[in-house]
Amino acid sequence: AQSVTQPDARVTVSEGASLQLRCKYSSSGTPYLFWYVQYPRQGLQLLLKYYSGDPVVQGVNGFEAEFSKSNSSFHLRKASVHWSDSAVYFCVLSANSGTYQRFGTGTKLQVVP
Amino acid sequence: EAAVTQSPRNKVTVTGGNVTLSCRQTNSHNYMYWYRQDTGHGLRLIHYSYGAGNLQIGDVPDGYKATRTTQEDFFLLLELASPSQTSLYFCASSDRGNTEVFFGKGTRLTVV
Repeated sequence: AQSVTQPDARVTVSEGASLQLRCKYSSSGTPYLFWYVQYPRQGLQLLLKYYSGDPVVQGVNGFEAEFSKSNSSFHLRKASVHWSDSAVYFCVLSANSGTYQRFGTGTKLQVVP
Repeated sequence: EAAVTQSPRNKVTVTGGNVTLSCRQTNSHNYMYWYRQDTGHGLRLIHYSYGAGNLQIGDVPDGYKATRTTQEDFFLLLELASPSQTSLYFCASSDRGNTEVFFGKGTRLTVV
């Protein structure tokens, strides 16, 4: 069975501070992992993806994520957040033989001055 | 750039009414999806398809039908709409089931 858990429904950080959004997954096969972002009143866009290899993957706008097989995690990080990063972030899982992707419930990020 | 177009963008219907949501992709993708987004649930898969004439059941299919008429077009049908189907609906496409998914801008459906 496949599942994705994002334990934090909301996260508030100050502009310029570092960020970590948590994601835990459960997969019976080799996991393919993604982070998507949804800006207000828009569709979803891909931030980054992990298929294999280097466990730290770089994405757009300074985001990165680290895959940990031992912890079944794929946390998203950013060194310094900007107010424009305020959005909802989704962690997404697909098995390598998967026919579709399973979304977490999302984490709403609010960046305050 | 990959494109997924949904119509209408907003729809209000009455309980028991019929609604059809349309989606067209110009990405030449094999897979197309219908999701609903509700607070506290994230995106939940209703139906998906991996080619014209194909239909697969997702995680929350009850009360919904779908049809993939061509590689480009995927429709979601609500034949007896209920207030519980008030939601934001997204159509999406991807080349394979485990590759990047491209989303439309969404359709906000209200059932009164």
